[in-house]
Amino acid sequence: GQNIDQPTEMTATEGAIVQINCTYQTSGFNGLFWYQQHAGEAPTFLSYNVLDGLEEKGRFSSFLSRSKGYSYLLLKELQMKDSASYLCAARGYGQNFVFGPGTRLSVLP
Amino acid sequence: DAGVIQSPRHEVTEMGQEVTLRCKPISGHNSLFWYRQTMMRGLELLIYFNNNVPIDDSGMPEDRFSAKMPNASFSTLKIQPSEPRDSAVYFCASSLSQGSETQYFGPGTRLLVL
Repeated sequence: GQNIDQPTEMTATEGAIVQINCTYQTSGFNGLFWYQQHAGEAPTFLSYNVLDGLEEKGRFSSFLSRSKGYSYLLLKELQMKDSASYLCAARGYGQNFVFGPGTRLSVLP
Repeated sequence: DAGVIQSPRHEVTEMGQEVTLRCKPISGHNSLFWYRQTMMRGLELLIYFNNNVPIDDSGMPEDRFSAKMPNASFSTLKIQPSEPRDSAVYFCASSLSQGSETQYFGPGTRLLVL
């Protein structure tokens, strides 16, 4: 079957670092994606991993371990505007995307 | 670029009525995706097209749902007849090609079926 798990909610303080974990099981594997979604808005692409290791993009980094079916999104120097839901998504065969339930991150002053 | 365009942005209808959602992908993008998002089920892929051809519609919930892509710049998602459980936000997304890293989402259509 296909399943993606991530924590429902997280809270962190402005300026801090937060790590959002994701575990996945898919039929085939063709990439792991992270999206950001502010309330009432559409998801926007953050990062993509297809090989094991860390991908860094500014304040955001994403890690993948294919053997463990595990990924995390690391957000550094948190800002208030980072308060949003973060969606982990795995791409299986073809373009078959499976999204996790999302992690709602609250950044407090 | 205007991004992915969806219409209408909001739709309120009564149970049993036909609903048609529309999407214009980003010009030059060859892959188009329809998603549904609810609090209970999260974001679900309904169907996707490559070069206007439906590739995988296994996510379409039942025969009441149908999608078409008559040309590279237009797609529709139709629900007939609609039911209250179809109430959700429906997103259309496009990407440059099959295997592209990035999908660009439209603003979504908020559907409420009474």
